[in-house]
Amino acid sequence: DTAVSQTPKYLVTQMGNDKSIKCEQNLGHDTMYWYKQDSKKFLKIMFSYNNKELIINETVPNRFSPKSPDKAHLNLHINSLELGDSAVYFCASSQGANNYEQYFGPGTRLTVT
Amino acid sequence: EDQVTQSPEALRLQEGESSSLNCSYTVSGLRGLFWYRQDPGKGPEFLFTLYSAGEEKEKERLKATLTKKESFLHITAPKPEDSATYLCAVSDNYGQNFVFGPGTRLSVLP
Repeated sequence: DTAVSQTPKYLVTQMGNDKSIKCEQNLGHDTMYWYKQDSKKFLKIMFSYNNKELIINETVPNRFSPKSPDKAHLNLHINSLELGDSAVYFCASSQGANNYEQYFGPGTRLTVT
Repeated sequence: EDQVTQSPEALRLQEGESSSLNCSYTVSGLRGLFWYRQDPGKGPEFLFTLYSAGEEKEKERLKATLTKKESFLHITAPKPEDSATYLCAVSDNYGQNFVFGPGTRLSVLP
């Protein structure tokens, strides 16, 4: 059973397009996160979200927006994609806000051409 | 600004050759220090959380320790399956700032 799943695994798109990445967790956790891992392998938190609060890393452009239809899902929408958005995006979940003992998904490799 | 550095960047060991990985951090009040393991093409996997200087945690061949400025991940008699990138991360007392280090890429040769 996959604890945290993401779709798609690979996403290739052109500059200026709008795309979404989906994330689902079946752990019953109440908090979900999005991370970006760039080409140098640095992993940076973008958002944390539970049913009470969305916390946004101030360095994240407002072209990125998380949307949560329910507690088990947190999707990432990206508008007007740029070359610099190319990276691997990871979803994660935990029980409790700001609990960094997290379960990560397998990642989505986004390539913007 | 919270910062995390890790050394060495890469480490090659022979099977059974014990060693240590270092994580140095600067944080405005440490809430927790975390170790994760990441295999190629996969998401990080949580290993340990350390909260205060002097604390130690163990799991199989891994042992993590913490001082006021750094943490060490000791690997005893490693096996090839221990090959991975080991990531260190810290959260501050506000709990909303979570910073990863660049990782140490460990290769254990049979």
